[in-house]
Amino acid sequence: GNSVTQMEGPVTLSEEAFLTINCTYTATGYPSLFWYVQYPGEGLQLLLKATKADDKGSNKGFEATYRKETTSFHLEKGSVQVSDSAVYFCALTSGGGADGLTFGKGTHLIIQP
Amino acid sequence: DSGVTQTPKHLITATGQRVTLRCSPRSGDLSVYWYQQSLDQGLQFLIQYYNGEERAKGNILERFSAQQFPDLHSELNLSSLELGDSALYFCASSVSRVGTQYFGPGTRLLVL
Repeated sequence: GNSVTQMEGPVTLSEEAFLTINCTYTATGYPSLFWYVQYPGEGLQLLLKATKADDKGSNKGFEATYRKETTSFHLEKGSVQVSDSAVYFCALTSGGGADGLTFGKGTHLIIQP
Repeated sequence: DSGVTQTPKHLITATGQRVTLRCSPRSGDLSVYWYQQSLDQGLQFLIQYYNGEERAKGNILERFSAQQFPDLHSELNLSSLELGDSALYFCASSVSRVGTQYFGPGTRLLVL
């Protein structure tokens, strides 16, 4: 079956630091990959996505590249802000049919001023 | 604001009871998904409906059921509630069977 593995944290960084959150996956077929973000007390917001190998998703300074050879979709940002503090979820759906998202356990990111 | 609405925002009930959670998808979206978020299980996919018909099932208990109505809103029914059913329940919608999913704000259920 499908699975997603990501570092759980908490990950604590200083403002303006470089961020990497690792995500690796196991899936059948050709999955689409996503990063969602959950701010305290809120629902999940789509941050970025990639639907095929070597695609790069980007949004709000965050980037992630779909690496089929390493089955990875690591999230990066060059300079984090306090407002980036949240829980980040890596997720996938299998290609070719209707199904729900398979999520990782989430990474709690804390940015200190 | 994703455009997906869920009611109620909070729900407190007792073991053995039955509750109904409601979801309205974004305008134009035909698919509705339900997810459960709990501390021990994380985020789990429960069920998907597309244009009124069940399309995919995840880790949904037999005590739980859902439906999607002709106006495309959906309801998740949870019965014979147990303490372990306390969780955040999210609804998401997408325009097609396999489109990007947009999440609502969730319903927080507390079973006492």
